[in-house]
Amino acid sequence: DVKVTQSSRYLVKRTGEKVFLECVQDMDHENMFWYRQDPGLGLRLIYFSYDVKMKEKGDIPEGYSVSREKKERFSLILESASTNQTSMYLCASSKRLFGETQYFGPGTRLLVL
Amino acid sequence: GDSVTQMEGPVTLSEEAFLTINCTYTATGYPSLFWYVQYPGEGLQLLLKATKADDKGSNKGFEATYRKETTSFHLEKGSVQVSDSAVYFCALSGGYGNKLVFGAGTILRVKS
Repeated sequence: DVKVTQSSRYLVKRTGEKVFLECVQDMDHENMFWYRQDPGLGLRLIYFSYDVKMKEKGDIPEGYSVSREKKERFSLILESASTNQTSMYLCASSKRLFGETQYFGPGTRLLVL
Repeated sequence: GDSVTQMEGPVTLSEEAFLTINCTYTATGYPSLFWYVQYPGEGLQLLLKATKADDKGSNKGFEATYRKETTSFHLEKGSVQVSDSAVYFCALSGGYGNKLVFGAGTILRVKS
């Protein structure tokens, strides 16, 4: 079975802190994604990566950056956390081919005070 | 751009009732369509998918048919159980990078 793990289930941070969210997948998938989930808005894509060291902006990249130094690991960075970044963050991975299923991690619920 | 619209919830049903959750989409080209389910406290997991027009995806008693003429992918189940209580997301994948575009999600509550 595909496994996608995220470093934390819950995080509490202060405004202005730098926050790192880590995601690891064990199925040698080329594509990795970061989404945020907010009630009534569904999931929105922040960034995705289709290869090591490659990244592309999604729909809401402002205030975020990402890093992919190894194929299995994709990190989301909040450079200076703000209260409007309080949300659920979900990581996913998939094979590169069109129409392939994305597999999701359990999510990190981030609260910024 | 591509978009997905699904019926608002919450939807509340009694056990063994028939379920329909409507989903329509707007996309250029020929997207793949998905239903994902999120149980309380968990991430999303794939429920079913269809990759071309008239395909029917099915899993765990749930079904959805890819209707290109009506741009729809409605989710149905003949008899729901309490354990089906969850949030259901319709999504499409149609562009570069295999990105998903999600609907807002529909909360389903099943009462015994």
